[in-house]
Amino acid sequence: GESVGLHLPTLSVQEGDNSIINCAYSNSASDYFIWYKQESGKGPQFIIDIRSNMDKRQGQRVTVLLNKTVKHLSLQIAATQPGDSAVYFCAENGAGNNRKLIWGLGTSLAVNP
Amino acid sequence: KAGVTQTPRYLIKTRGQQVTLSCSPISGHRSVSWYQQTPGQGLQFLFEYFSETQRNKGNFPGRFSGRQFSNSRSEMNVSTLELGDSALYLCASTKTSGTDTQYFGPGTRLTVL
Repeated sequence: GESVGLHLPTLSVQEGDNSIINCAYSNSASDYFIWYKQESGKGPQFIIDIRSNMDKRQGQRVTVLLNKTVKHLSLQIAATQPGDSAVYFCAENGAGNNRKLIWGLGTSLAVNP
Repeated sequence: KAGVTQTPRYLIKTRGQQVTLSCSPISGHRSVSWYQQTPGQGLQFLFEYFSETQRNKGNFPGRFSGRQFSNSRSEMNVSTLELGDSALYLCASTKTSGTDTQYFGPGTRLTVL
């Protein structure tokens, strides 16, 4: 079936460095994409979203890039901090009459002090 | 505005028993989605309720069921528990569409012995 996949299951970065988390999606009809952050013991927390009519969207220290040509989504975190350590999920809204969010498996980000 | 709340936070059951989990969405949110999260499997969609009706359903056996009340609070039930049902069960709410930005509760950690 259609799914959202992640290139790297784990990512380890130094504090202060920039982090890039990648995500591939297979449903070309998806027009809404979301990044979530899940810290240990908590539910996923919304970070940033982007619609398919955009290529880039910036938030506070985070940027999401969307490349529809290759069906690729990325989350960039600037000046990564220890508090950014978490699992990051991408999700797409799929297609069809019964749309539901399709979730990637997640990337674990570890920030080394 | 209060966030999504889930009760109980932790639950231990034995095989064959049944369990009911509760979710209270954000005030004004009418859509409630349920997910099962296990290590290595990411978030698996169970079902979505809107206005007391199941609007969407994932690929889970009939042992998993849910309902929504007129105040948008939702419950999910798992009957005849199996060891493989041990997981974090997450509830998420949105205003209307199940594919809009979802706001998650902290989850209920179910352990089946």
